[in-house]
Amino acid sequence: GAGVSQSPSNKVTEKGKDVELRCDPISGHTALYWYRQSLGQGLEFLIYFQGNSAPDKSGLPSDRFSAERTGGSVSTLTIQRTQQEDSAVYLCASSFSPANTEAFFGQGTRLTVV
Amino acid sequence: KNEVEQSPQNLTAQEGEFITINCSYSVGISALHWLQQHPGGGIVSLFMLSSGKKKHGRLIATINIQEKHSSLHITASHPRDSAVYICAVSAGSNYKLTFGKGTLLTVNP
Repeated sequence: GAGVSQSPSNKVTEKGKDVELRCDPISGHTALYWYRQSLGQGLEFLIYFQGNSAPDKSGLPSDRFSAERTGGSVSTLTIQRTQQEDSAVYLCASSFSPANTEAFFGQGTRLTVV
Repeated sequence: KNEVEQSPQNLTAQEGEFITINCSYSVGISALHWLQQHPGGGIVSLFMLSSGKKKHGRLIATINIQEKHSSLHITASHPRDSAVYICAVSAGSNYKLTFGKGTLLTVNP
């Protein structure tokens, strides 16, 4: 597609439920990043993919968070047993290559855990 | 202390004014990014720079590596420039961005 596409745009879920957030990067972009923007916290890095592998998962806040990428394209971020503190906007970005090239961001998924 | 500090946190201007947003960082970097986020919107990358100065339309970004400082300037500001402007840095071969807390710019007509 023309840009980075994320779905759903909004998700409201009950505490304890699992959620899946999807990111479809720009075609040809090998690097894919997930970030989180919590109210009052600013943006923070979660995980980075180069192709299908994730060399850096250091930003994932707990083992309830996982992500995968298949076919070097679409990525799914899964949050198990959601907690209220997981409420945030989850942003995906992609770029042609990892280091220091311009990244293009999606519109984000606003997750609300009630 | 956050590795990336932005100032001011909030900025209100009248249409037509010259705007400057500042960013200071404490780590060695290989690139600095300026991002724009409109309310309820996604993030748009404005500039990525590692030295000198870049210009795009009414936007100008400069960086001084020795002083670990960057500025984003907006000339002839317009209400549609109202947004949060975010400074972010990447270090070495590190692809991870470390973000400032953002500057909320409001341009009044």
